[in-house]
Amino acid sequence: AQSVSQHNHHVILSEAASLELGCNYSYGGTVNLFWYVQYPGQHLQLLLKYFSGDPLVKGIKGFEAEFIKSKFSFNLRKPSVQWSDTAEYFCAVNKAAGNKLTFGGGTRVLVKP
Amino acid sequence: EAQVTQNPRYLITVTGKKLTVTCSQNMNHEYMSWYRQDPGLGLRQIYYSMNVEVTDKGDVPEGYKVSRKEKRNFPLILESPSPNQTSLYFCASTQDRGSDTQYFGPGTRLTVL
Repeated sequence: AQSVSQHNHHVILSEAASLELGCNYSYGGTVNLFWYVQYPGQHLQLLLKYFSGDPLVKGIKGFEAEFIKSKFSFNLRKPSVQWSDTAEYFCAVNKAAGNKLTFGGGTRVLVKP
Repeated sequence: EAQVTQNPRYLITVTGKKLTVTCSQNMNHEYMSWYRQDPGLGLRQIYYSMNVEVTDKGDVPEGYKVSRKEKRNFPLILESPSPNQTSLYFCASTQDRGSDTQYFGPGTRLTVL
């Protein structure tokens, strides 16, 4: 069964700092990869997704993620965070044409003003 | 506006009292899912449906039932709720189960005493 690991459960940083959140998955076949964000009190929203092509994917709000197939990783990055980036971030993986989206445990990010 | 709605948003109930959480989407999506979100565990899929009258178990189906009599609606039923079902529940829909973005509802916070 596929699984998704997010290495950090909590991250605290100051505004303008750079952010990198790790995500590794266990499935060896072709996958679709997602990062979702959940702002306080809100539902999940898509940040970015990777299906194929350029492994460096750009999403909304200045976020990007890099798919490294050899490492089974899909790390999320933002060069300079803002207070409004305080949220919980979820990595998710779906087998291509599969039925199930498997989520990581989430990383809570707190950006101090 | 494209959206997924859930009701109720908050519910406190007692052990054994049957309840239903409704979910409705207005995007004519074929694929719908229910997830529960628990701290440190991310989102885990409870049930999914690929179309009307087609449902299947996700990762944590025990204690839950679903039905899909109409394309837009996908209610989650707890016949005899127990305290370990206290959680935050999300409904989601997507047109293409394998590769498309999932649209999430606002969540239902359920407490079972």
